[in-house]
Amino acid sequence: KQEVTQIPAALSVPEGENLVLNCSFTDSAIYNLQWFRQDPGKGLTSLLLIQSSQREQTSGRLNASLDKSSGRSTLYIAASQPGDSATYLCAVPLIKAAGNKLTFGGGTRVLVKP
Amino acid sequence: DVKVTQSSRYLVKRTGEKVFLECVQDMDHENMFWYRQDPGLGLRLIYFSYDVKMKEKGDIPEGYSVSREKKERFSLILESASTNQTSMYLCASSPFWRESTDTQYFGPGTRLTVL
Repeated sequence: KQEVTQIPAALSVPEGENLVLNCSFTDSAIYNLQWFRQDPGKGLTSLLLIQSSQREQTSGRLNASLDKSSGRSTLYIAASQPGDSATYLCAVPLIKAAGNKLTFGGGTRVLVKP
Repeated sequence: DVKVTQSSRYLVKRTGEKVFLECVQDMDHENMFWYRQDPGLGLRLIYFSYDVKMKEKGDIPEGYSVSREKKERFSLILESASTNQTSMYLCASSPFWRESTDTQYFGPGTRLTVL
């Protein structure tokens, strides 16, 4: 059974510092790896999706890397801002699973202090 | 833009009541999902549906049922609500599985409190 772990569970940084969020998964048979953002009391918003054939994906200040062989992904957020405060979740769909079901990590709660 | 809407943002019900949570998506997606999210337990899949009238149990289906009579609408039913069903409920939709870039689109969530 696929297990997805995110460490640390919470992170607090001063504004302007770079953020590094980690995600690990146990089964490397994945189609892609996805990063989501969740604001308090709200739904999830897709941030980045890295396909299994890719090593990294970038969107603005966000960069996500994927190392399938070691079962790890890292989300980097450059020059953090208070507006980046949220919970970040990673998720993977299993190749063997039908219907695009995702397995989610527990999330990393980020606080960026002004 | 994909839009997934949920019938209520906040809901308060009493133990034993029958509760309906509704979700509607406007992107003609085949797949729809219901999750619950609890502190320390993360996001857990309750049920999902890959077509009209089709459903499959997720990780925690006990105490829940679902209905999908139309492609755009997926309902979660708590037959007899209990206090341990107090949670945040999230609905999502996605295309069936055409591309490895397909992702899930989430609604805003319903915070259900059962007293």
